[in-house]
Amino acid sequence: EVQLVESGGGLVQPGRSLKLSCVASGFTFSNYGMNWIRQAPGKGLEWVAYISSGSSYIYYAETVKGRFTISRDNAKNTLYLQMTSLRSEDTALYYCARQGTNSNWYFDFWGPGTMVTVSS
Amino acid sequence: NIVMTQSPKSMSISVGDRVTMNCKASQNVGNNIAWYQQKPGQSPKLLIYYASNRYTGVPDRFTGGGYGTDFTLTINSVQAEDAAFYYCQRIYNSPTFGGGTKLELK
Repeated sequence: EVQLVESGGGLVQPGRSLKLSCVASGFTFSNYGMNWIRQAPGKGLEWVAYISSGSSYIYYAETVKGRFTISRDNAKNTLYLQMTSLRSEDTALYYCARQGTNSNWYFDFWGPGTMVTVSS
Repeated sequence: NIVMTQSPKSMSISVGDRVTMNCKASQNVGNNIAWYQQKPGQSPKLLIYYASNRYTGVPDRFTGGGYGTDFTLTINSVQAEDAAFYYCQRIYNSPTFGGGTKLELK
């Protein structure tokens, strides 16, 4: 059974940093591109970042480019999101999501999410 | 940037009814659309990809259609468990989501 479990969220002050993790199981993690997608409270979905299976390709949304860094450790089946210079508008539930097979740009499995609250 | 606009924002339907919701792209996106269902307190689940392909395990009462700029998600004989938000997404390497349609049951 495919499972994605995020962690690392919490309350953080504006301008500070936070690192999220997502542990994957039930599939060959190193064969799939992975993404972070967020959802502000009561709002819709916003794609944040993508990393290819071997980390060769990385893309970011314009809203986080230069502040967030996506990475992965295939030996540990873990995806990361390092977030710096956090702003109130980064407050959201952060999901990790698996890329569709053959690197198709839809998302076939999602974790339950980890909540990030940016507030003083 | 291509904007995805969903309509209506919400709808109230009776069990057994047929419902159609819409997703409009600001430019031609071919068939590069996916649909997701998100129930309260849950993460989104993939329903449809490439406009009309039902994902594994999705009941056949869910049907996707459309091409170019106008897309639809139809649910035949709505069930109580279909109450949820539904989102469309442009399948692209900078994916964008529509604002969602909330489906409520009367």
